[in-house]
Amino acid sequence: DSGVTQTPKHLITATGQRVTLRCSPRSGDLSVYWYQQSLDQGLQFLIQYYNGEERAKGNILERFSAQQFPDLHSELNLSSLELGDSALYFCASSVGGRWNTEAFFGQGTRLTVV
Amino acid sequence: GENVEQHPSTLSVQEGDSAVIKCTYSDSASNYFPWYKQELGKGPQLIIDIRSNVGEKKDQRIAVTLNKTAKHFSLHITETQPEDSAVYFCAAGFSGGGADGLTFGKGTHLIIQP
Repeated sequence: DSGVTQTPKHLITATGQRVTLRCSPRSGDLSVYWYQQSLDQGLQFLIQYYNGEERAKGNILERFSAQQFPDLHSELNLSSLELGDSALYFCASSVGGRWNTEAFFGQGTRLTVV
Repeated sequence: GENVEQHPSTLSVQEGDSAVIKCTYSDSASNYFPWYKQELGKGPQLIIDIRSNVGEKKDQRIAVTLNKTAKHFSLHITETQPEDSAVYFCAAGFSGGGADGLTFGKGTHLIIQP
């Protein structure tokens, strides 16, 4: 168990809908990272938050947004969903805000858009 | 941005033999190179990492080598065991942070044959 909790584990929704994925980082970790994993694209970095502030942005679509709350949990919001958004979404957390600190991954949320 | 190529995509070795996975990267500014292991149904787990001021690092049966001039790094697993079967990802990033975050290779499915 990495200590990073993601909910829900599975999500099935229709095209055009909006969903929210939740992540609770390890106790004491200030950074939260979101990744999307699909068969053809591999692991793609979406966005990082550090202590409530956006720190780095990757290949995140405009239809997607995220935030980190004062208690450090984070939510990833996906809207106007398309079939191609079906993927595993991982959250990871680390103590520091730099990439050379070990990041611990959660078990992921499998999103299926039908 | 950074581009990471990983080979092979599938590797099958006999139990007890060695396995080598190779990655190349494109951005000479990258200075942090972690390797992750992902078992079925779980999130990626960091197994070893190396920074650009080091050429080799070992941890029991696992070693990583880095050639900054050629921009490639490799994972070596010796005396492979059934529990080594998993998907392995290499990644490259700049420890100062930045918009690209960590860029992952597409993964290698390592199969240990009994």
